[in-house]
Amino acid sequence: DAGVIQSPRHEVTEMGQEVTLRCKPISGHDYLFWYRQTMMRGLELLIYFNNNVPIDDSGMPEDRFSAKMPNASFSTLKIQPSEPRDSAVYFCASRDVTTGAHYFGPGTRLTVL
Amino acid sequence: GESVGLHLPTLSVQEGDNSIINCAYSNSASDYFIWYKQESGKGPQFIIDIRSNMDKRQGQRVTVLLNKTVKHLSLQIAATQPGDSAVYFCAENIRDGANNLFFGTGTRLTVIP
Repeated sequence: DAGVIQSPRHEVTEMGQEVTLRCKPISGHDYLFWYRQTMMRGLELLIYFNNNVPIDDSGMPEDRFSAKMPNASFSTLKIQPSEPRDSAVYFCASRDVTTGAHYFGPGTRLTVL
Repeated sequence: GESVGLHLPTLSVQEGDNSIINCAYSNSASDYFIWYKQESGKGPQFIIDIRSNMDKRQGQRVTVLLNKTVKHLSLQIAATQPGDSAVYFCAENIRDGANNLFFGTGTRLTVIP
């Protein structure tokens, strides 16, 4: 398995623009998580899905953030409009249904100018 | 416990020596623990996990010890190599029906050649 796949790996955009981050979880995993990592706040859980259904989005910072999981193999995290304080590395992770371990993707480094 | 990401403990070891990284977790209801390694520019990588019904688990060059009495977790790396230099996170899964992980602050391990 290729592991969790994220795209793009790097994104540079201007304030006010829409940003869409993409994730393909490991096949067969039952949960998908979106995290954000910054130097100041470390790893923060934004939202997670179970069998494509959003379970807890209490970590989503504002209404500017939204996430979807239209099927078991694809999820998106959208920021509209983006702001400089959204600059961070965004990770997607999926959970092994057998062990409970979470496996992370390589992340998307977002820079909002 | 939850990551705050403000001050990262550091550990420097000589190549070939053994490393011990410690983690205090916050919730006595936690039943599953994972150690992650995060290299610069990469996502957290699963190293080893342990369930609360065990007090020790060994992998290749790594051992995790769990002391539930004092809510303490440690990661031991034998014969530390330069490639082990990274930030190491412990994560706990609280047995409350949710399936997200709470991450520790992380410890930066630097291996001196």
